[in-house]
Amino acid sequence: ETGVTQTPRHLVMGMTNKKSLKCEQHLGHNAMYWYKQSAKKPLELMFVYNFKEQTENNSVPSRFSPECPNSSHLFLHLHTLQPEDSALYLCASSQLHGGSSGNTIYFGEGSWLTVV
Amino acid sequence: SQQGEEDPQALSIQEGENATMNCSYKTSINNLQWYRQNSGRGLVHLILIRSNEREKHSGRLRVTLDTSKKSSSLLITASRAADTASYFCATVASGGSYIPTFGRGTSLIVHP
Repeated sequence: ETGVTQTPRHLVMGMTNKKSLKCEQHLGHNAMYWYKQSAKKPLELMFVYNFKEQTENNSVPSRFSPECPNSSHLFLHLHTLQPEDSALYLCASSQLHGGSSGNTIYFGEGSWLTVV
Repeated sequence: SQQGEEDPQALSIQEGENATMNCSYKTSINNLQWYRQNSGRGLVHLILIRSNEREKHSGRLRVTLDTSKKSSSLLITASRAADTASYFCATVASGGSYIPTFGRGTSLIVHP
């Protein structure tokens, strides 16, 4: 148990569906992240939220829409995805500018997304 | 790019042997971190070493950092089958956003 909970763990969706991934952190951190992990590729940072404000958007297509209603919850809304978007989506949190912690990232278990 | 590159990409050893993984990076760092990922799961932080440190230990893990060569190594001593996982280094750049950048990882298999 890492203190970061992701749901659902597995999701299969059609290209015309709308679905959402949910993440909740119980660590009192001020930053939350979405990462995408595909086979044979480095972990890709998608979005960063710092105190609910989006501070990073690494050229992510608009079919991925993040939402951060408070510093403990993070969503990734998915719409008209492509088969190449199939991947493991990892949510994470940290205490940004956290002094001695050096910004250690705490990850959830991930949501496996398959787009058919 | 700042991201660390792990070497080797894959490593297969017998239980009881030591496993060494290396990470190289390109620009100045504030700190370097190692993470572990079991198949299909999230990453778990193992150890953080700051730019002014040369070596750190945690249980059977030993991490070294050579900032002059811009490289780090992770040594797992007396490996166990349960150490089978992917290992990632992540670098936090100096004067940057404090967000770690991850490499592609080393896949370690420890045979019982």
